[in-house]
Amino acid sequence: EIVLTQSPATLSLSPGERATLSCRASQTVSSYLAWYQQKPGQAPRLLIYDASNRATGIPARFSGSGSGTDFTLTISSLEPEDFAVYYCQQRGNWPLTFGGGTKVEIK
Amino acid sequence: EVQLLESGGGLVQPGGSLRLSCVVSGFTFSSYAMSWVRQAPGKGLEWVSGISGRGGSTFYADSVKGPFTISRDNSKNTLYLQMNSLRAEDTAIYYCAKDVGDYGANLYNWFDPWGQGTLVTVSS
Repeated sequence: EIVLTQSPATLSLSPGERATLSCRASQTVSSYLAWYQQKPGQAPRLLIYDASNRATGIPARFSGSGSGTDFTLTISSLEPEDFAVYYCQQRGNWPLTFGGGTKVEIK
Repeated sequence: EVQLLESGGGLVQPGGSLRLSCVVSGFTFSSYAMSWVRQAPGKGLEWVSGISGRGGSTFYADSVKGPFTISRDNSKNTLYLQMNSLRAEDTAIYYCAKDVGDYGANLYNWFDPWGQGTLVTVSS
């Protein structure tokens, strides 16, 4: 099973700041990585798929990069609604796996 | 508008069984793979199981292989998860998630959207 390790566990930032989230895979997943956002009491929402493609309706301030084992989600300028938990997910191999999450909180 | 509505969760004793359902609307159900993803209280996401559009291919996480069975009825636009031999560690919110495609397509195994989830509690 491919293990996804997300860092940091918590990111404390202010609105308007840039957020950089990391996801590292235990073995290569090529570009088969997605990012999801989850707010309290809500289901997750797809942000990025295939490492760098924004899902429908996702603002341009969200961008993804990376391939192989190292991936990054960048939020260029945090809006108040962006404070949430972010998960990465791989589909390079069965079983599908998620990272443990990064919480982006207001500083 | 795509909608997914889960049901069937509740309190069950260890060793018991439950069947979850997910009724969908707003898209051609048989054209898309579907998955179940769970989230234990205060924890992260865990993919549980997936099924192809026509139901011919199924996949499971090692943690549920054997006791859990995924299925679908395309005539009823409904996805199911039969859960047997439930344990305390199966306690979680269970989300039904629509795949962006079907297995073997150019894009698949990304989940968009998700239902609101149904809570399963395994406790005596």
